[in-house]
Order: sequence, then C-alpha cells, then structure tokens
Amino acid sequence: GQQVMQIPQYQHVQEGEDFTTYCNSSTTLSNIQWYKQRPGGHPVFLIQLVKSGEVKKQKRLTFQFGEAKKNSSLHITATQTTDVGTYFCAGYNFNKFYFGSGTKLNVKP
Amino acid sequence: DAGVIQSPRHEVTEMGQEVTLRCKPISGHNSLFWYRQTMMRGLELLIYFNNNVPIDDSGMPEDRFSAKMPNASFSTLKIQPSEPRDSAVYFCASSLVRPINTEAFFGQGTRLTVV
Repeated sequence: GQQVMQIPQYQHVQEGEDFTTYCNSSTTLSNIQWYKQRPGGHPVFLIQLVKSGEVKKQKRLTFQFGEAKKNSSLHITATQTTDVGTYFCAGYNFNKFYFGSGTKLNVKP
Repeated sequence: DAGVIQSPRHEVTEMGQEVTLRCKPISGHNSLFWYRQTMMRGLELLIYFNNNVPIDDSGMPEDRFSAKMPNASFSTLKIQPSEPRDSAVYFCASSLVRPINTEAFFGQGTRLTVV
C-alpha cells in the first residue's frame, strides 16, 4: 500500500546549524504538504508543493518536490530555538493524506 | 472563524466505558479527517469524510471504533468499549477539496487516557 517514509526520525543541532528532513513515497503523489507540530501542540500547515521539481522558500525554510513527485525535502538554514518541533510531510493521492512519521528537531542554544 | 473545534480537550475514562469525541470543522470545508497520534505509531489516519460521506475507514482499528458525520458542521468518533491501548491524542482536521486539496486545519486535539 501507499507509504510515506520520513528520515531522520530525530535530529539534534546546535543553534545556527542547518537541518534537513527527507520524505519518500512508494508511489507518485499528486501533491505534498509540510506541517510543523510544536511540543504539546497540533500540526500546523507550512506549505504545499504541487509541481514536479518545485522549490519554494519561506524565510529560512526551503521546500523541494522531486522531479518524479515521489520525494520531497525541507531544509532549514541557520536553525533557531523557535524551530524546535516535529516536522511532518503529508503526501496526497487518491483523496487521502499519507503522513510521514515525522522528524523531531531539537535545537540547542 | 474559530478554526476546528474539538471537545473535550482531555478525557480520562475507565476501561470498558464508552468514549465520544466531538469535532466541529471549519465552515465551508468539505473534507474531515480523524487522526490518532501516539509515540509508538505516530500520526495515523483513522477515517476520512468527504461531503459528510465516509470515503475511507481503512484506518479504523477495529469494530470498537465508529465515526459519524450527520451534517457538514459536526462529527463524532466513538470508542465502545474503550481499552488502555486506545490512550492517545485524537485530532480532527478539515480541509476544502476543489478538486485539489488545500491545507488541512487541525483542531487542538483530545487527549484520551483509558485506565
């Protein structure tokens, strides 16, 4: 069945270091979304990618959608303590979201 | 709009009791999702409604779980009888599909503890 795998599971970085999380699907996705969940909170939408090879930026965050629309990445430049949380990708296909397992980011000041 | 509203925020119940979780989606959204989140299994999709009709309930763990959406502004997730392994945070989310989906808005979640 459809699966969305996300790596790494955990990432500990020093403030100022970069961070990347990767999302891979077993099948082609129609689009992919990224969410952030702060500790004790609920997932909050960050961005949606639709086109093959699409790249979008939000300040220090860069999102990419692979050419085959089966993988995606989120890169954070110069992490800050406010970036702490779990980042989820959610692949969308056949009217269904498939959430990745999430990458938990911890940023040490 | 107040966003997706879930109630209760916390629920502690004894094993064997019936539990009902409630969700009010954002007005105008036509899709509603129920998710369960645990440390072990992460975020799992339980059931998905489109225009109040259940489209995919393959994630519902077993017959003890049931979900309804009697109208566009209300949904329930019921567990009967509840078991300790049902302890988790249950999220409801809604979105607008037209035809491509837009972002999903999550409620604050219901933290369920079954003792």
